[in-house]
Formats: sequence, structure tokens, C-alpha cells
Amino acid sequence: EDQVTQSPEALRLQEGESSSLNCSYTVSGLRGLFWYRQDPGKGPEFLFTLYSAGEEKEKERLKATLTKKESFLHITAPKPEDSATYLCAVQASGGSNYKLTFGKGTLLTVNP
Amino acid sequence: SAVISQKPSRDICQRGTSLTIQCQVDSQVTMMFWYRQQPGQSLTLIATANQGSEATYESGFVIDKFPISRPNLTFSTLTVSNMSPEDSSIYLCSVEDQDRPYNEQFFGPGTRLTVL
Repeated sequence: EDQVTQSPEALRLQEGESSSLNCSYTVSGLRGLFWYRQDPGKGPEFLFTLYSAGEEKEKERLKATLTKKESFLHITAPKPEDSATYLCAVQASGGSNYKLTFGKGTLLTVNP
Repeated sequence: SAVISQKPSRDICQRGTSLTIQCQVDSQVTMMFWYRQQPGQSLTLIATANQGSEATYESGFVIDKFPISRPNLTFSTLTVSNMSPEDSSIYLCSVEDQDRPYNEQFFGPGTRLTVL
């Protein structure tokens, strides 16, 4: 069974204080790993897709990386508007390969 | 990416009643999905809804409890039947964007359901 574990559950940073969120996964064969951002009362907003180990994607202050066992979401010099819950999900290859298996998320709070 | 809307955005219901949630997309899509997000839990896939065929349910979810309709390529409904307080959750629909290389899924704003 596919599994996704995110850590930490919650992270509080000062504005400008860089850090990383972790997403560990087990999947029979990885088709893709996805990062989403979710603001309170809203649906998840797509950020990145990673397909193979060693891949990196960047968007503004966010950079996502992928290894064979985990992914990191690096946040450089965060701002208060980066506060949100960040969700990681995996999609397995083969079979019903549309299914996303999510972690519980990391609640990020950036204080001014 | 597609623009997805859901109705209602939130509701408070009495136990034993049913609620139908609507999901509307601004473009035609083949695959639509319904997820549940319970407090403190992961987003969990309930079922996949393809136009013209019966919905496919994930383990732990059954049609009698969560009947789904998919009358066309831009619309779907999820009904939560005979509700209990344990059904209090956020319900989300998503669609695959087939114009993207890996058919990434995009989500609607969600429906927040509270069952008393």
C-alpha cells in the first residue's frame, strides 16, 4: 500500500528564516510526486510535479527536490504570505494510476 | 488550468438526512474525482467519476453511502446519504488536466459539511 509521511506536522518561522519540509514515501512504482499548497477554507493549489530522483523544480521562494525515498520543499527567505498547509502526494505507476495518496500536510506559519 | 466550482460551499445538516454536492468545471474533462478531508487526516479519494460509466469507488467507500452522478463532461454530483456526525468533513472534487504532461489534478474550493 502506498504511504506518504510528512514532517514536521507544524513549523513556525520568522520572516526571512529559511527551512525545509519533508515528505517521505513508499510506493510500488512512482509515476509522480506532487506538492500542493492549501489555504484555510480553500482547496489545494497545485505547486509542483516531480517525476524522477534528482529532479528539482522552483517557483519564487519554493524549491522542490526528489530522491528515491523522499522529497523536500525548501522555502527560502519566507514571507508571511507563504503561511499555509503544504501537502505532498504520490501517484503510482500501473493499475489505477490516477489515484493520489496524500500525506497529512505541514502547517507552515511565517511570522512578520 | 480548469476553473472548478462547488456548491454549496458549506452546510450544516441533521443526522439521518442527505446532502448533494455539485461540482462544475468550465471545460470538458474526462476524469473527475471526489475526495474527503477529515479533520487532522489526509485527503482521501472516495471515487472516480467518468462520464457515461458507473463511478469507481475506493476501498472503504460504497455507492449506497456516496452515490455519484456524472451526466456530462463538465458536471458531477456527490451525495452523502443518511449522514452521521462522522461524515463531518470537507468534500473536494478534482479534475485531471489532460493538457499537462502528467495529467496533474486540480481541485475545487471544497464543501465544508457539519453533521449535528
